[in-house]
Amino acid sequence: QVQLVQSGAEVKKPGASVKVSCKVSGYRLTELSIHWVRQAPGEGLEWMGGFDPDEGEIIFAQRFQGRITMTEDTSTDTAYMDLGSLRSEDTAVYYCATINGHSWGQGTLVTVSS
Amino acid sequence: EIVLTQSPGTLSLSPGERATLSCRASLSVNSNYFTWYQQKRGQAPRLLIYAASSRATGIPDRFSGSGSGTDFTLTISRLEPEDFAVYYCQQYGSSPITFGQGTRLEIK
Repeated sequence: QVQLVQSGAEVKKPGASVKVSCKVSGYRLTELSIHWVRQAPGEGLEWMGGFDPDEGEIIFAQRFQGRITMTEDTSTDTAYMDLGSLRSEDTAVYYCATINGHSWGQGTLVTVSS
Repeated sequence: EIVLTQSPGTLSLSPGERATLSCRASLSVNSNYFTWYQQKRGQAPRLLIYAASSRATGIPDRFSGSGSGTDFTLTISRLEPEDFAVYYCQQYGSSPITFGQGTRLEIK
């Protein structure tokens, strides 16, 4: 059974960057396709990007192009999502999840405030 | 981009009643990559249905999914108090991955 454990809540100022981690257990990270989804307060789910097994590369939602990076450390089975140039509208809970939706992290609240 | 439109936006029913939630896609969706989630306040989404009609592990058989192409349905046969939550559909067969806007199921 796959378990995903995310890093803790963050508070950032506008213009800063945030890096959220997602530790995988139960499987090796290389066996999974991890994606990132966010949810602003009171809003729905928004896909941000993740590993596309068909393309063999990480793909991103167009609106985050240029300010998002997703990396993986296979030695520790940890995936990372780095979002830069933060603005208040990026305040949200950020989730990592397997692409098939069977496993989700607990969520990481990122608050962007001056 | 495949746009998923859920209806109704809010559904008010009583425990014991039947709930029917709809998700309509702007383009045909590969059913193998169509899912339904339940989300309760303060919790991560929980997978209910994958491949349009298969129940995820531990999901009660009162939940069922159906549909293909552009029209999909989640049915809850007899509502239990713990079923009142927000439900999302999702497709991940076509990039970008997209979610519906959600249906809130509330107690009448």
